Amino acid sequence: EPQVVESGGGLVQAGGSLRLSCAASGFTVRGLWTHWARQVPGLGLAWVSRIDSDGSSASYADSVKGRFTVSRDSATSMVYLQLNSLRVEDTAVYYCTSGSFSHLDVWGQGTTVTVSS
Amino acid sequence: QSALAQPASVSGSPGQSITISCTGTSGDVGGYDYVSWYRHHPGEAPTFLLYEVKNRPSGVSDRFSGSKSGNTASLTISGLRAEDEAEYYCSSYTNKYTVIFGGGTKLTVL
Repeated sequence: EPQVVESGGGLVQAGGSLRLSCAASGFTVRGLWTHWARQVPGLGLAWVSRIDSDGSSASYADSVKGRFTVSRDSATSMVYLQLNSLRVEDTAVYYCTSGSFSHLDVWGQGTTVTVSS
Repeated sequence: QSALAQPASVSGSPGQSITISCTGTSGDVGGYDYVSWYRHHPGEAPTFLLYEVKNRPSGVSDRFSGSKSGNTASLTISGLRAEDEAEYYCSSYTNKYTVIFGGGTKLTVL
């Protein structure tokens, strides 16, 4: 069964950094994009970032551009989301998903990031 | 960029049909047939319902259907069941090479 698993969430102070990891299993990631989305408590889903299967193309939501960086390790197919200059408003459950360039197919259970002031 | 516009809530009785709208701009919904829909039960991972406006991934019931006209896409759920009660989100590819979600619609099955 195809699945993705996120890890790396935690509690960090404002201005700090975290690195989230995403591991895929049960399917090949070749040709697939990996997206990150988040859900702030009490609010809706928001798209954060995406990266293509060979790591050559990435894009970001305006709210995180310049602070977050998505990357892929081609040897292990792991995908990472580096979160820098974190703000209280970045507190959310972060989901990793696999899909096409435009849709998010296989979703993980999410990892929680809490940014304290 | 603001979220795509969805009604905050809709409701229906078991067996009925409901439709959820998703309104964007010519830079997203109106400009591309890359609208997707997702269902999210609280505490669970979201699930993928439709892609490219009206296509269902394998395993998704044909009770879920999609359409688009201009800058507005729609999700219709027919034969409502209690388990359909959840939050529903649309998303669209955009002309900025990004993806944008709708604000979400809470479906209540009466």
